[in-house]
Amino acid sequence: SQQGEEDPQALSIQEGENATMNCSYKTSINNLQWYRQNSGRGLVHLILIRSNEREKHSGRLRVTLDTSKKSSSLLITASRAADTASYFCATDRDDKIIFGKGTRLHILP
Amino acid sequence: NAGVMQNPRHLVRRRGQEARLRCSPMKGHSHVYWYRQLPEEGLKFMVYLQKENIIDESGMPKERFSAEFPKEGPSILRIQQVVRGDSAAYFCASSLLIGSTDTQYFGPGTRLTVL
Repeated sequence: SQQGEEDPQALSIQEGENATMNCSYKTSINNLQWYRQNSGRGLVHLILIRSNEREKHSGRLRVTLDTSKKSSSLLITASRAADTASYFCATDRDDKIIFGKGTRLHILP
Repeated sequence: NAGVMQNPRHLVRRRGQEARLRCSPMKGHSHVYWYRQLPEEGLKFMVYLQKENIIDESGMPKERFSAEFPKEGPSILRIQQVVRGDSAAYFCASSLLIGSTDTQYFGPGTRLTVL
């Protein structure tokens, strides 16, 4: 069963702009992860944020976590064409992670 | 250190045939996960294995599907008597620690088409 749900389902922005994607989940978590998937490829891990963390950075990526609202956001700053991909959040449940349906991000030239 | 390997990358089967999907985890990783992805969908968890053990198969259909991760060799996802609804991309991932707390490294996937 699905745990995380990304919003929006699809997002198109101009190159250079910032992209924000959100993830909401239902049950309590120990950590939340974000992954990227380029068309026709496997997933690539971006960031893991633990439940006792509120914000984490990695290069142009910034992830926030609000456990009281059961939500997380992924911000990509200064977007590039290469950022065009689907982005998934994944939350832990027992010994596995459960993925949402993803946000399809398209960077326009 | 080679990444997660999956083969074949593409597999075509007729209804009723068997499909065997192979996954070699990253060196040193003993945790393997299999996922299924339909077009425009997220990944659905199928099964979690450690060497010679199935830890969690709650996402795998009870019939026709089986998985193994032997002491030697790759992990195998086996689908017997395939039906059209089995057409999907199947991804495996491996991790050093339990994947719910650690980064999972994904293979390129096997795209199964059932005619």
